[in-house]
Amino acid sequence: DSGVTQTPKHLITATGQRVTLRCSPRSGDLSVYWYQQSLDQGLQFLIHYYNGEERAKGNILERFSAQQFPDLHSELNLSSLELGDSALYFCASSVGTGSNNEQFFGPGTRLTVL
Amino acid sequence: AQSVTQLGSHVSVSEGALVLLRCNYSSSVPPYLFWYVQYPNQGLQLLLKYTSAATLVKGINGFEAEFKKSETSFHLTKPSAHMSDAAEYFCAVSGGYNFNKFYFGSGTKLNVKP
Repeated sequence: DSGVTQTPKHLITATGQRVTLRCSPRSGDLSVYWYQQSLDQGLQFLIHYYNGEERAKGNILERFSAQQFPDLHSELNLSSLELGDSALYFCASSVGTGSNNEQFFGPGTRLTVL
Repeated sequence: AQSVTQLGSHVSVSEGALVLLRCNYSSSVPPYLFWYVQYPNQGLQLLLKYTSAATLVKGINGFEAEFKKSETSFHLTKPSAHMSDAAEYFCAVSGGYNFNKFYFGSGTKLNVKP
């Protein structure tokens, strides 16, 4: 158990819908990262937040957005969902913002878009 | 820009044999390098990381990796494979100009035969 929690574990929805994925980092970690893992694209970095502020953006679509709240939990919002958005979405947390910090991964949310 | 290439999407070894998983990186500045392992239906777990200290890095579960700047490689090895090592392994790079971004390789699935 990494100490990072993600809810829900599974999510099934229809095209065009909007969903919110939630992540609670390990106690004491200020950084939250979001990743998408799919069969064709592999593991893609989406976005990084540190103590409520966006620090880096990766391959995140405009239909996707994220935020980190004062209690440090984070939400990833996916809208106008398409079949291709079906994937595993991972959240990871680390103590600081440095690139050498170990990231602790949550168990993931499996999103299925029908 | 930084990138990671993992040679071999599938590697199969016999129990007790040497494990060698290859990772080559591309970075214009000294990078931080990581190896993660993912067991089925779980998140990623850090095996080891290189952060410009010793070039030979020892990790958990008997794994180690050697940073070779001249070859831009960070191959993962284990002298003797165990059945429990069967999993997917990801190499990742971060640091430099894309300070807060992490780039993962496409992963290598390790199969261990009895």
